[in-house]
Amino acid sequence: AQSVAQPEDQVNVAEGNPLTVKCTYSVSGNPYLFWYVQYPNRGLQFLLKYITGDNLVKGSYGFEAEFNKSQTSFHLKKPSALVSDSALYFCAVRDPGGFKTIFGAGTRLFVKA
Amino acid sequence: EAGVAQSPRYKIIEKRQSVAFWCNPISGHATLYWYQQILGQGPKLLIQFQNNGVVDDSQLPKDRFSAERLKGVDSTLKIQPAKLEDSAVYLCASSISSGTDYNEQFFGPGTRLTVL
Repeated sequence: AQSVAQPEDQVNVAEGNPLTVKCTYSVSGNPYLFWYVQYPNRGLQFLLKYITGDNLVKGSYGFEAEFNKSQTSFHLKKPSALVSDSALYFCAVRDPGGFKTIFGAGTRLFVKA
Repeated sequence: EAGVAQSPRYKIIEKRQSVAFWCNPISGHATLYWYQQILGQGPKLLIQFQNNGVVDDSQLPKDRFSAERLKGVDSTLKIQPAKLEDSAVYLCASSISSGTDYNEQFFGPGTRLTVL
């Protein structure tokens, strides 16, 4: 069965510093991987996805993520954090050929000015 | 482009009462999802529709939850009777379906349900 883990409940980073939000997954076959962000009192918004091809994918708001098949990871990164990046981030995985998307428990990112 | 619409935004009910949530997906999106998000957890899929057919409802508590998408457009999720553990945010999402399964989902603002 597919699963996804976000090992950190919260990540704290200073504005201007690089940020990383971690995600590992378990799925049979090659996965489809997604990152979503949830701002307070708003619905989840899509950030980026990995389907195939280049392991480094770029998304909205300057975010990027690196797919690492040997480590079964898909960490979210940004070179320079902004206070406005403070939000709840969810990693999600879908098994190709399957219908269900499984979400991680979420990581709260706090960027301090 | 209008987003996914949900109503109501908030609902407070007593246990054993019934409640219904409505969702209107983005125009042209064939796939519609209902998720339950309990505080501190990620969204959990309750049911997924492809047009007006059910694709997956394996995690829907069918003794109390029901959902329909009669005309393949908007959808209603119902809980009857509600339990305390149903307190959560209910999210509706939609995606374009082109025969592939890697399209991103677009989420509505959610309905926060409190069961007393």
